[in-house]
Amino acid sequence: KAGVTQTPRYLIKTRGQQVTLSCSPISGHRSVSWYQQTPGQGLQFLFEYFSETQRNKGNFPGRFSGRQFSNSRSEMNVSTLELGDSALYLCASSLERQPSEKLFFGSGTQLSVL
Amino acid sequence: AQSVTQLGSHVSVSEGALVLLRCNYSSSVPPYLFWYVQYPNQGLQLLLKYTTGATLVKGINGFEAEFKKSETSFHLTKPSAHMSDAAEYFCAVSVQGAQKLVFGQGTRLTINP
Repeated sequence: KAGVTQTPRYLIKTRGQQVTLSCSPISGHRSVSWYQQTPGQGLQFLFEYFSETQRNKGNFPGRFSGRQFSNSRSEMNVSTLELGDSALYLCASSLERQPSEKLFFGSGTQLSVL
Repeated sequence: AQSVTQLGSHVSVSEGALVLLRCNYSSSVPPYLFWYVQYPNQGLQLLLKYTTGATLVKGINGFEAEFKKSETSFHLTKPSAHMSDAAEYFCAVSVQGAQKLVFGQGTRLTINP
């Protein structure tokens, strides 16, 4: 069974641009979460989607948004990029949305904002 | 709100020595606790988790952790370190009603030959 796939692997953007990251969960998984990883702030929760609906959101500005499609694939979008948005963005999937459930992580998209 | 504190951002041990990575949590309700490992240029992989029941939890690659409610701790141990254990380790907490993980800052484990 294929793991969580994130594309692209690397991205370089300039300030003010927008970016879209993609995540394909493990087949059959219905919950998709996104996390931002930076050296300074560590791993921070962005949002979680289940059955095409955002169920939970972290403390990020409205420039960060996402969506989930009927096949459970998810995208996240960051508009008006800032230097501080440079980070590794990790997507994780799980079968259901139980807090005790194991998350399966992708390898991430490394975003650099210049 | 939940929080996790990992004591020591860097830990260095010799090959064959005991590995001890410390994690303390804060939660007003019964927590679910996790240890994840991240190898360079990869995502996170679950080592083990505590939900309910037995407080000593065994995971993959010879790691185990003990949930101690009185000390609000969930320290990760391995009796004998291998070179392949070099990675970054994250302790995390989640609670019922909040489908998200709150991570500690991570501990980078270095293994000396």
